[in-house]
Amino acid sequence: QQQVKQSPQSLIVQKGGIPIINCAYENTAFDYFPWYQQFPGKGPALLIAIRPDVSEKKEGRFTISFNKSAKQFSLHIMDSQPGDSATYFCAASIGLGYSTLTFGKGTMLLVSP
Amino acid sequence: NAGVTQTPKFRVLKTGQSMTLLCAQDMNHEYMYWYRQDPGMGLRLIHYSVGEGTTAKGEVPDGYNVSRLKKQNFLLGLESAAPSQTSVYFCASSPGVSQGTDTQYFGPGTRLTVL
Repeated sequence: QQQVKQSPQSLIVQKGGIPIINCAYENTAFDYFPWYQQFPGKGPALLIAIRPDVSEKKEGRFTISFNKSAKQFSLHIMDSQPGDSATYFCAASIGLGYSTLTFGKGTMLLVSP
Repeated sequence: NAGVTQTPKFRVLKTGQSMTLLCAQDMNHEYMYWYRQDPGMGLRLIHYSVGEGTTAKGEVPDGYNVSRLKKQNFLLGLESAAPSQTSVYFCASSPGVSQGTDTQYFGPGTRLTVL
């Protein structure tokens, strides 16, 4: 069964800290790894995504690190702000548009002022 | 563009009642999805559709039915609601292979309570 394991379940950091959220997958056929961000009372929204041909991708303060051999990928948030407080989901899928996303169980991040 | 909209936003049902959740998107997306979100369980796919008139089962399809009679609409039905179906339901859509992206766009959710 396709699985994506996400950790930690929750995370508290101080403003300016660098929270790191980790995900591990089992299916080596996965080739698309997005992160979604969800604020309370809202639907998730795509934050950043990576494909396995690169080991790192940065968009603003958000960075995905990808380790193909370990079948792991992680999200780093540089200079975290209280406005980053949200639930973050990692996900994975096979092929562009040919399969559905398998989501991790989510990490609730709180950035204290 | 309104994006993805869901109706209703909240609903309380009694066990055994039926209801239909409506999802509409105005982005001309090919693919549409229904998820449920429960505490500590993440997002679990109920059913999805890769085009008008087509549907497929996801991870947790039991107790739900869907229909996609029009490209822009995706309906989720509960024929006989059970307390285990108390959840927040999200609809999403994505452009599909033809537009070269997997990004899913989510609606605001429907909070359903079954008593």
